[in-house]
Amino acid sequence: ILNVEQSPQSLHVQEGDSTNFTCSFPSSNFYALHWYRWETAKSPEALFVMTLNGDEKKKGRISATLNTKEGYSYLYIKGSQPEDSATYLCAFQASGGATNKLIFGTGTLLAVQP
Amino acid sequence: DAEITQSPRHKITETGRQVTLACHQTWNHNNMFWYRQDLGHGLRLIHYSYGVQDTNKGEVSDGYSVSRSNTEDLPLTLESAASSQTSVYFCASGDRGDTGELFFGEGSRLTVL
Repeated sequence: ILNVEQSPQSLHVQEGDSTNFTCSFPSSNFYALHWYRWETAKSPEALFVMTLNGDEKKKGRISATLNTKEGYSYLYIKGSQPEDSATYLCAFQASGGATNKLIFGTGTLLAVQP
Repeated sequence: DAEITQSPRHKITETGRQVTLACHQTWNHNNMFWYRQDLGHGLRLIHYSYGVQDTNKGEVSDGYSVSRSNTEDLPLTLESAASSQTSVYFCASGDRGDTGELFFGEGSRLTVL
C-alpha cells in the first residue's frame, strides 16, 4: 500500500503570516504529485500538478516545490488571508500512464485568523 | 458549463438495505472514481473506471460495486449497507491529458443506522 503523509495535521496562523506544509510520498514509481485545496462544504479543487524533480509552481500567493528523489513536496502560502482557510491535500500518482488514479494524504487543515 | 453532480446529497438508511449513489459528469471524461472520506483517513479510493464496461477495485472496495454502461455515469452501489459505511462519498472524473487533474462532485453524505 502506497503511503502519502502530510504534516502538520492542522495549522492555525494569523492573517499576514506566511506558512508552509509538507507532503511526503514514495520516491519510486513516481509520475506526478498533485495539490488540492478543499474548502469546508465544497469539493476539492486542483491547485498544482507537478511531474519533474525540482518543479516549482506558483498561483498568486501560493507556491509549491517538488523533490522526487527524496519524496517530498512543500506548499507555501505567503501572507495568509482568511479566505486561504481550507484543507490542503496532496496526492501521489504512480507511473503507469496518466490514468488519474491518485492516492491522497490526509490533508493539512489551515485556519487563518483575521 | 461542464460539471459533475452527485445524488442524493444526503441519505439515511438502515443496515442491510441496498443503496445506490449516483454520479453524472458532462465533461465527457473517460476516467471516473469513487472515494470515501473519513476522519483521519482522508480520501480513500473505492472503485474506478477507465471507460464504458471497465471497472476496477480500489483500496477499500469490499461491500461496494460500480457499473459503467455509458461515459457519463458511474453509480456506486452498497449491496447490504453496514454502519461502517457511514461516510461522505465523493465522485470524481478526469481525462488522460498530461495534468491528470481530477474534478470532484460535491459529495454524498450517507448515514447507515
